[in-house]
Amino acid sequence: ELKVEQNPLFLSMQEGKNYTIYCNYSTTSDRLYWYRQDPGKSLESLFVLLSNGAVKQEGRLMASLDTKARLSTLHITAAVHDLSATYFCAVDIRAQKLVFGQGTRLTINP
Amino acid sequence: DAEITQSPRHKITETGRQVTLACHQTWNHNNMFWYRQDLGHGLRLIHYSYGVHDTNKGEVSDGYSVSRSNTEDLPLTLESAASSQTSVYFCASSEEVRAWADTQYFGPGTRLTVL
Repeated sequence: ELKVEQNPLFLSMQEGKNYTIYCNYSTTSDRLYWYRQDPGKSLESLFVLLSNGAVKQEGRLMASLDTKARLSTLHITAAVHDLSATYFCAVDIRAQKLVFGQGTRLTINP
Repeated sequence: DAEITQSPRHKITETGRQVTLACHQTWNHNNMFWYRQDLGHGLRLIHYSYGVHDTNKGEVSDGYSVSRSNTEDLPLTLESAASSQTSVYFCASSEEVRAWADTQYFGPGTRLTVL
């Protein structure tokens, strides 16, 4: 059974600081997604990582994928309050069947 | 603009009743998915479909069914609602499986409470 584990599950940080969210998974996959969810809202796609070594960046967020280590990271640079949300990684196990991590609730304080 | 909608947005029902949640997308996507979201579990796949008349069971399919009679709709039915099915339900869609760069687009969600 595939397990997708995110850590930390809760993260409170100050504006301007850098931090990384980790997503570990237990089986072979070369496709991984990151989503953002605001409270009471739907999921918004952030990144699609399609191969080993893939790196994508959008604004203050950068995601990477290491398929050999079965690890993806979401790095936040110089955090701002607007990035407060819950972030999910999801691993594609076959033909877009996704297994989600538990989510990381990120709170950024002024 | 193309979109994915769910209805109702909120539903309260009683144990044992049959409930159907609607999902409608206008992107003409072949793939459609139903998930439930519960605290501590992230999202879990209930059922999915790769096209008309195709349906498949996901990780937590017991007590749920779907049917796909056209491209746009994938209704989710709870045959006999149980309190354990109280959750937020999300529908999603995506293009062809072979579209490597594609992601799943999520609807706004339906909050279901079973009393």
